[in-house]
Amino acid sequence: TQLLEQSPQFLSIQEGENLTVYCNSSSVFSSLQWYRQEPGEGPVLLVTVVTGGEVKKLKRLTFQFGDARKDSSLHITAAQPGDTGLYLCAVRPSGSARQLTFGSGTQLTVLP
Amino acid sequence: NAGVTQTPKFRVLKTGQSMTLLCAQDMNHEYMYWYRQDPGMGLRLIHYSVGEGTTAKGEVPDGYNVSRLKKQNFLLGLESAAPSQTSVYFCASRSLGNEQFFGPGTRLTVL
Repeated sequence: TQLLEQSPQFLSIQEGENLTVYCNSSSVFSSLQWYRQEPGEGPVLLVTVVTGGEVKKLKRLTFQFGDARKDSSLHITAAQPGDTGLYLCAVRPSGSARQLTFGSGTQLTVLP
Repeated sequence: NAGVTQTPKFRVLKTGQSMTLLCAQDMNHEYMYWYRQDPGMGLRLIHYSVGEGTTAKGEVPDGYNVSRLKKQNFLLGLESAAPSQTSVYFCASRSLGNEQFFGPGTRLTVL
C-alpha cells in the first residue's frame, strides 16, 4: 500500500481546458509539497503547503491542502502545452523528518 | 551556480558489471539523496546522507552502496549490476527550507 495515492495517473487535455489532480492519503502530515518534472529532467518544487485548508496560487496553478491535512489538490486553469509534465506530491513520513516520500505522479499532457 | 550535477547521463552495463554514479552540488547543502524512478512507481529513495561522512539506508537500498567523503559529492555504487536495476537515477540535495533540488538524472540500462 502506497503512502500517497495520486489520481488520475494519466491525463490528456486540450489547451485552454481546466483540470484538477489529486494526492490522497489516510495519514496526517505536517506539510505537503508538489513538484513538476519535465521530460528528461529532475523534479522541480512548485509549492509547499503546511496549514490545513491552506490555498496557494502560482499563476494559473492553485494548490489546496485538505482541512485534515491528509490530502491535497492541484487545479490548473486554462492549461497550456508548457504545463505538460509529471506532477508529483511528496510528504515527510511520520518519524522520518530527513526523508521525502513521493506519490507515483500524474502524467499531464496538454495538446495544442 | 550549477546546482546539482550528475555523471554520466547515460550508461549501458552488462549483468555483473560494476559502476559508480557521481553527484555533485555547489549549494553547500548538508543533506543529499539518491532516488530511482521507474514507470508507475514514482521516486523511491535508495540511500541518503545527512552530512559529510554519514550515510543511511532508504526504502530500496539492496544492491547499492554510497559514500559521502566530501560534502559536495555523493557517490552511488552498483557492485554487481542486475537487470532489475535498470532505471533512471536521480540525485538531490536539500536546502534548510526543506526544498529538494534534483539533478538531471542518469539513465541506466542493465542487459
